[in-house]
Amino acid sequence: DTGVSQDPRHKITKRGQNVTFRCDPISEHNRLYWYRQTLGQGPEFLTYFQNEAQLEKSRLLSNRFSAERPKGSFSTLEIQRTEQGDSAMYLCASSAPGAGETEKLFFGSGTQLSVL
Amino acid sequence: RKEVEQDPGPFNVPEGATVAFNCTYSNSASQSFFWYRQDCRKEPKLLMSVYSSGNEDGRFTAQLNRASQYISLLIRDSKLSDSATYLCVVNPRGFNKFYFGSGTKLNVKP
Repeated sequence: DTGVSQDPRHKITKRGQNVTFRCDPISEHNRLYWYRQTLGQGPEFLTYFQNEAQLEKSRLLSNRFSAERPKGSFSTLEIQRTEQGDSAMYLCASSAPGAGETEKLFFGSGTQLSVL
Repeated sequence: RKEVEQDPGPFNVPEGATVAFNCTYSNSASQSFFWYRQDCRKEPKLLMSVYSSGNEDGRFTAQLNRASQYISLLIRDSKLSDSATYLCVVNPRGFNKFYFGSGTKLNVKP
């Protein structure tokens, strides 16, 4: 499977616990995005990497959230001290805009987080 | 004001009907536009890009009106399998992010 891969698919945790999600983008894609989606809403931007550099971070992302992409390949998103309001689908997307081409996002299946 | 606004629906239509969705965006510097389709509890999947001249892909037609800052999606001869949520997406020039609307839900009924 050469698509975007996310792990785990589902995560149930208790409030106050830390959780970490992983995303493996399409192999030749240098850009990687994290989005969050709650029921009835569209995906909301969280952060963006170009290769290993985190170039943009949403104000939605509190200091409990951190993302890394250490070697410019896979990425992790960690949430510390989870709160019930963190319950959502966390989506990863990757892209590889070519010269003169429109950048398009390709999503993984997401990680559904439930904080009890 | 949200970057992208859509009518949430639902649009309930019979098979074979033609249905149209609109979406408005607030940033006049937006340069790329898309429609994504999302099935329940699945990830969004690219349906089509939207070009200034309008474009068609089978039963689907997308149009862009830059002056009024809206995008439309027309689905002809609706199929049961078209039932999904359709997300309008905008990528403003100079922004390293894509803005998603909340989606328009379509139910195609037999």
